[in-house]
Amino acid sequence: EADIYQTPRYLVIGTGKKITLECSQTMGHDKMYWYQQDPGMELHLIHYSYGVNSTEKGDLSSESTVSRIRTEHFPLTLESARPSHTSQYLCASMRGSGELFFGEGSRLTVL
Amino acid sequence: SQKIEQNSEALNIQEGKTATLTCNYTNYSPAYLQWYRQDPGRGPVFLLLIRENEKEKRKERLKVTFDTTLKQSLFHITASQPADSATYLCALHNYGQNFVFGPGTRLSVLP
Repeated sequence: EADIYQTPRYLVIGTGKKITLECSQTMGHDKMYWYQQDPGMELHLIHYSYGVNSTEKGDLSSESTVSRIRTEHFPLTLESARPSHTSQYLCASMRGSGELFFGEGSRLTVL
Repeated sequence: SQKIEQNSEALNIQEGKTATLTCNYTNYSPAYLQWYRQDPGRGPVFLLLIRENEKEKRKERLKVTFDTTLKQSLFHITASQPADSATYLCALHNYGQNFVFGPGTRLSVLP
C-alpha cells in the first residue's frame, strides 16, 4: 500500500470559491506531481515539484497554484473556482527507481 | 508531434485467456516505460517498469515487452480473471522530462 493521501475525496462548491486540495505522502519522496483527469480521458500533468521550494507548471495549462514548503506536503489551490475546473485531481509521488504512487484522487464539482 | 496510442479503447476477453494490450509511441525516446492499472474513481496503481535496454519483464501473471525499434510495448495478462477488469495505462518517461500517459485500454474479462 502506498502512503499517499488526498483530501477531500469529493468536493462540490459554488463558482468563485477558493479551494485547496491536500496531498501528503509519508515515503520521503522528493518528486511530487498533480494530474488532472476527466472521466474516460488520459492524465494531464498540471504541476510538479522536485523538492522543497521547487514547483513547476506542467504540460496542461491550469489556473491552479501549488506550494512545497515541506517534503511530505504538496497542496493545490484554486483561487476562484469555475465550472470548467470540474474534474478529478490526482496527486502522485515518485520513488527513486521511477515508479509513481498515486493518491485516491479528489473529485471536484464546481456548480 | 509526440503521441502515445493504446490499442482499442476497450478489450473484452473470456476468463482464462491471455489479454494482450498494446502501447505504441512516436517521437519519444523513453528511458523507461511503465504500466499502471486504474479502477473507476481511483488513482492508478503501478504494475511494471521496463527500461530501454530490457526486452521483457515478468511479474506473476503479468509480462511486458519493450521494442524500441518498433516503438511498442506489449502488456500480457495470462490466465485472466474477472478481477483483472480495469483500465490499463502505459506511461513513458523521457530523459530529463516528466511522465506522459497514454489514453488507456479498458479491459473486461468475462466469466
